[in-house]
Amino acid sequence: AQSVTQPDIHITVSEGASLELRCNYSYGATPYLFWYVQSPGQGLQLLLKYFSGDTLVQGIKGFEAEFKRSQSSFNLRKPSVHWSDAAEYYCAGSGNTGKLIFGQGTTLQVKP
Amino acid sequence: KAGVTQTPRYLIKTRGQQVTLSCSPISGHRSVSWYQQTPGQGLQFLFEYFSETQRNKGNFPGRFSGRQFSNSRSEMNVSTLELGDSALYLCASSPTSGRSTDTQYFGPGTRLTVL
Repeated sequence: AQSVTQPDIHITVSEGASLELRCNYSYGATPYLFWYVQSPGQGLQLLLKYFSGDTLVQGIKGFEAEFKRSQSSFNLRKPSVHWSDAAEYYCAGSGNTGKLIFGQGTTLQVKP
Repeated sequence: KAGVTQTPRYLIKTRGQQVTLSCSPISGHRSVSWYQQTPGQGLQFLFEYFSETQRNKGNFPGRFSGRQFSNSRSEMNVSTLELGDSALYLCASSPTSGRSTDTQYFGPGTRLTVL
């Protein structure tokens, strides 16, 4: 079955430190992959997406993600975290149907 | 362009009632998908509509239904509400249907509380 897994439920980093959020996928073929961010009480905002080509994709707000087929991973990174980055982060994949399958989400807390 | 809008933003209902939620997609988008978000189950796909036809359906009981109008606006209905239906219901729109490369743009959601 198709699935997306985010192994880390909660991550705390200090402001200014680097960040990596993990995402693993299980699909029959290479899925299309997305990272969304959700602030409290809000909908989901797209950070970046991977369809094909260059495995390092750049997104908004200084985020990037690297697709690694050998590891079935699509980890999100940011070199220096800001307090405003505290939110819930979701990795999602879509196969042939376009239906998004989400991971369970990772809550990011930023310490001052 | 205006984003995806959902109305109402908050709803409180009692068990056994029914509820209708509305979603207006981004102008020009013809596909609307609905997702349910709960603390226990996370984000789960409900269904997708394109050109007034349901194209995909998630694993939810028949109490959950939807429709799409000719202007691409969509409504979802939940009948005989249960406590477990309390959730944030998110609507997403995309330009076409079934193309995995289409990005889905989400609305702010409708927070449904069932008492």
